[in-house]
Order: sequence, then C-alpha cells, then structure tokens
Amino acid sequence: QKEVEQDPGPLSVPEGAIVSLNCTYSNSAFQYFMWYRQYSRKGPELLMYTYSSGNKEDGRFTAQVDKSSKYISLFIRDSQPSDSATYLCAMSAENTGFQKLVFGTGTRLLVSP
Amino acid sequence: AAGVIQSPRHLIKEKRETATLKCYPIPRHDTVYWYQQGPGQDPQFLISFYEKMQSDKGSIPDRFSAQQFSDYHSELNMSSLELGDSALYFCASSQTSGRASEQFFGPGTRLTVL
Repeated sequence: QKEVEQDPGPLSVPEGAIVSLNCTYSNSAFQYFMWYRQYSRKGPELLMYTYSSGNKEDGRFTAQVDKSSKYISLFIRDSQPSDSATYLCAMSAENTGFQKLVFGTGTRLLVSP
Repeated sequence: AAGVIQSPRHLIKEKRETATLKCYPIPRHDTVYWYQQGPGQDPQFLISFYEKMQSDKGSIPDRFSAQQFSDYHSELNMSSLELGDSALYFCASSQTSGRASEQFFGPGTRLTVL
C-alpha cells in the first residue's frame, strides 16, 4: 500500500465549478503538506504549502489539512480551463530531514469551457 | 524569477549506454534533489545533496550516481541504461534557510532508452 493515496481521476467539471481534490496518507510523521500542479510534460509547480493542520487560502485556492484523519484537500474556486492539469499532493516528515517528498499519484483535472 | 534549469531537455540513448543529466538550481539555493517520474506515475525521490554532500538517498539504483559541485549545480550519472530507465527526471532545489520541504522543480529531462 502506498503511503499517500490519491484518486487518479480524471475529474471533469464545467468552467466556474468548485473543485475538490483530496489525498489520504498513512504516515503520521508527515508534517509538511504541499500541492503541486503539473501540466503535461512539464515540471511540477508548487501551488500551496502548509504545515501541520489547518487551512490556508491563496486566491482561488484553499488547502486544508486534517492530521487527525490523515486527510488533506485542495479546493479550487471558479475553476478555469487553464486549471486543467494534474494535481499532485506531496508531504514530508522530520525523520527524513524533510528532504524527501512523498507524492500521491496525482489527480487529472479537466475543466471544460 | 529564475527557475531551476535542467539539461538536456530530451535525451535518447541505447541500452547499456551512459547518460549524464545536469541541474542548475535557483540562485542562492543550496540543496538539490533528483526525482524520477515514470509514465503515469508519481515522482519518486532518488537522492539529494546539501553543500556538496549527499543528504538523503531514496530508491536510486546502484547504476546511478550523482554529485553536487561547488557552484551548487548537480549531475546525475546513469550507466548501463535499461529500458525501464525511460522516464522524466526532475531536479528540484531549495534554500536551507527557507521553508522546510519547499522544493521548486525544473522542467525535467525526458530520457528515452531504446
């Protein structure tokens, strides 16, 4: 079983919809949680960065971390066709000096005009 | 803003050949990381370097080696290439004085082994 589980999708939504992307994890030592956006054949782009539990908002994006449930979410408001990409969650633990990022498999999002 | 630079962007090799991938981190970033992403897979951590010393090691084959130089750029050397080595190889960099685990990725090198 993978340390980080993520539904691969694809998730298809109409433009303007609210998108919810989620990851679950098994390692309670994870403390830093990131969301990356990856367009086809491109490098992952850091979208959101959070530490421990709580919410963080940045423009149309909101990241939530629930460590008690080992569950993280990324919400995208007013989704745009340009948001169509694969979204990867990633996390790290102190026992690796926070060096190694463990990724989910990524969720492919398709936003139609 | 300057980003991580990787070269070459595409590389085609035959089985049993060698390949060298290069990574130039964001200016003032002192740590580099290498990840391998197979088709339809998530990035897998290979190895990381801080101040020219290996700082962590993941699932890197013994056929692969890497190093970081005094100007902080890094090279991933891959020998006896196998078909299964075909993948996207990403380099990421971070600043130790910055936020923990905040890694910025380059555009990747697509390696195809024939």
